[in-house]
Amino acid sequence: AQSVTQPDIHITVSEGASLELRCNYSYGATPYLFWYVQSPGQGLQLLLKYFSGDTLVQGIKGFEAEFKRSQSSFNLRKPSVHWSDAAEYFCAVGPITFYSGGGADGLTFGKGTHLIIQP
Amino acid sequence: DTEVTQTPKHLVMGMTNKKSLKCEQHMGHRAMYWYKQKAKKPPELMFVYSYEKLSINESVPSRFSPECPNSSLLNLHLHALQPEDSALYLCASSQDLGETQYFGPGTRLLVL
Repeated sequence: AQSVTQPDIHITVSEGASLELRCNYSYGATPYLFWYVQSPGQGLQLLLKYFSGDTLVQGIKGFEAEFKRSQSSFNLRKPSVHWSDAAEYFCAVGPITFYSGGGADGLTFGKGTHLIIQP
Repeated sequence: DTEVTQTPKHLVMGMTNKKSLKCEQHMGHRAMYWYKQKAKKPPELMFVYSYEKLSINESVPSRFSPECPNSSLLNLHLHALQPEDSALYLCASSQDLGETQYFGPGTRLLVL
């Protein structure tokens, strides 16, 4: 079964410092990989995605992520964080085959990493 | 434009009430999804509707009932909910199955 592991529940980073959020996945085929960000009480905003091709993908707000098949990882990075980056970050894998009534697609999410920015 | 709208933003209901959540997208997307997110947890997929076909996560109780009146609307009908159903309900859509999903802001539901 597919799964996503985000090993860090909380990360604290000083404003202006670099950031790396870890994500490891388990998937039987070539996965689609995503990073989403969620501010408190809000929906999810897509930061970036990987489907195929160049393993280093650029996203919005200065984020990038690198797909490493050999390590089953898709870590998110940012060279210099801003206070507004404080939020919950979710890594997700898809598509997944689903259940009754035939195939369907949805995302499996990691448990999230809560990013705290210190002034 | 990648906007998915959801109404209402907040909903409080009793366990005997019937209510509905509404999700709308005008991007021509052919797949729409409902997710449930408990506090400090990741979203969990409940339903997928695509090409007039509904797929259900079998762990979702029957007191949740999705309906797709047209290709841009996806409703979630709620009946006889339990307090443990209190959560943020997120709707998403994608151009097609397997494509990038875009999420709405969610409806925060409280069941008393």
